[in-house]
Amino acid sequence: QQKVQQSPESLIVPEGGMASLNCTSSDRNVDYFWWYRQHSGKSPKMLMSIFSNGEKEEGRFTVHLNKASLHTSLHIRDSQPSDSALYLCAADDTNAYKVIFGKGTHLHVLP
Amino acid sequence: GPKVLQIPSHQIIDMGQMVTLNCDPVSNHLYFYWYKQILGQQMEFLVNFYNGKVMEKSKLFKDQFSVERPDGSYFTLKIQPTALEDSAVYFCASSPDRVEQYFGPGTRLTVL
Repeated sequence: QQKVQQSPESLIVPEGGMASLNCTSSDRNVDYFWWYRQHSGKSPKMLMSIFSNGEKEEGRFTVHLNKASLHTSLHIRDSQPSDSALYLCAADDTNAYKVIFGKGTHLHVLP
Repeated sequence: GPKVLQIPSHQIIDMGQMVTLNCDPVSNHLYFYWYKQILGQQMEFLVNFYNGKVMEKSKLFKDQFSVERPDGSYFTLKIQPTALEDSAVYFCASSPDRVEQYFGPGTRLTVL
């Protein structure tokens, strides 16, 4: 079973719309979550990290974390075609010094 | 932002040969990682390295794999011998504190 589950697998939103991506860890040892964006053929670039309960906002991007349920979500408002990419959620297993990635959500923003 | 470099960008080798992938991490970073990504698929953790030693490795990190930072600069991943299933893009990443990882552009390895 995947330790970091992301949903949906694929998401299509119109330009200017809101994209909402979800990520849940089944590993209670997880401490940090990260969201990365990976454009096709490129390396992942970190968008935001979160380790405290609540919400964090940077520009058009907002991340929520519920540590009790180990669920994080990424919301992109006013989505742009350039936001089209693979969004990866990663969790830090603090007991094991390793980072586990989910399979990702493919976001397509239609102009 | 900080840049991680990887050399080469693409390597084609015959099955059974040895290959060394090189990573030039950000100079003051302490944590180093290797990941494997088959085209369009999941990013898979391979190994991480801190203070001169391997801290954790995944099941994908086979006995044929080894990592080292021989002169305190380049961080290398060596595969000997290579197998067909080793074909993938290998990303290295470095981090000052485990919170923020900076990824290199990747090395596309093709094993024939």
